[in-house]
Amino acid sequence: KNEVEQSPQNLTAQEGEFITINCSYSVGISALHWLQQHPGGGIVSLFMLSSGKKKHGRLIATINIQEKHSSLHITASHPRDSAVYICAGGYNKLIFGAGTRLAVHP
Amino acid sequence: SAVISQKPSRDICQRGTSLTIQCQVDSQVTMMFWYRQQPGQSLTLIATANQGSEATYESGFVIDKFPISRPNLTFSTLTVSNMSPEDSSIYLCSVASRGLETQYFGPGTRLLVL
Repeated sequence: KNEVEQSPQNLTAQEGEFITINCSYSVGISALHWLQQHPGGGIVSLFMLSSGKKKHGRLIATINIQEKHSSLHITASHPRDSAVYICAGGYNKLIFGAGTRLAVHP
Repeated sequence: SAVISQKPSRDICQRGTSLTIQCQVDSQVTMMFWYRQQPGQSLTLIATANQGSEATYESGFVIDKFPISRPNLTFSTLTVSNMSPEDSSIYLCSVASRGLETQYFGPGTRLLVL
């Protein structure tokens, strides 16, 4: 069965801290998405990874295919980064992790 | 990239009624998907909307409850039929296509069934 697991479930940080969210996935998943969901419900796609590392602004996503593990890093965190971050496995038909609720305090 | 709009953005409905949600994308895309996010839960795929043919439903979802149309490559509708309070969720459409680096999500429709 294809599964995606995230940790931690909840994360609180002070503004400026470096943040890491982790995602493990099972055999059969060959691509990993990182998504951001704000309180209104809208979802923004941050990255899709099948290998290596991607960077966009203060966000960095890495994936280790051998270990079936991906991480999302946020450098110099800011209160506007507060959201739920979701990893999802697959290319098109996605399998979602439970999400990590991040709160960044000033 | 792809820009997706959904209508309505939210609605409050009575038990036993039906609601049709529209999804419009600004470019022709190969694949369109409908997801449900129940309160406090992560997203679950309902079905893949296929252009010109019946949608492909995931386990636990049936056409009679969630009929889907996709008349062309830029538009799809999802109907939530004979609603009950358990159908209260956010419903999201998403699109993917060759040439798009990732999957794009609509803003969601927040449904409350009383």
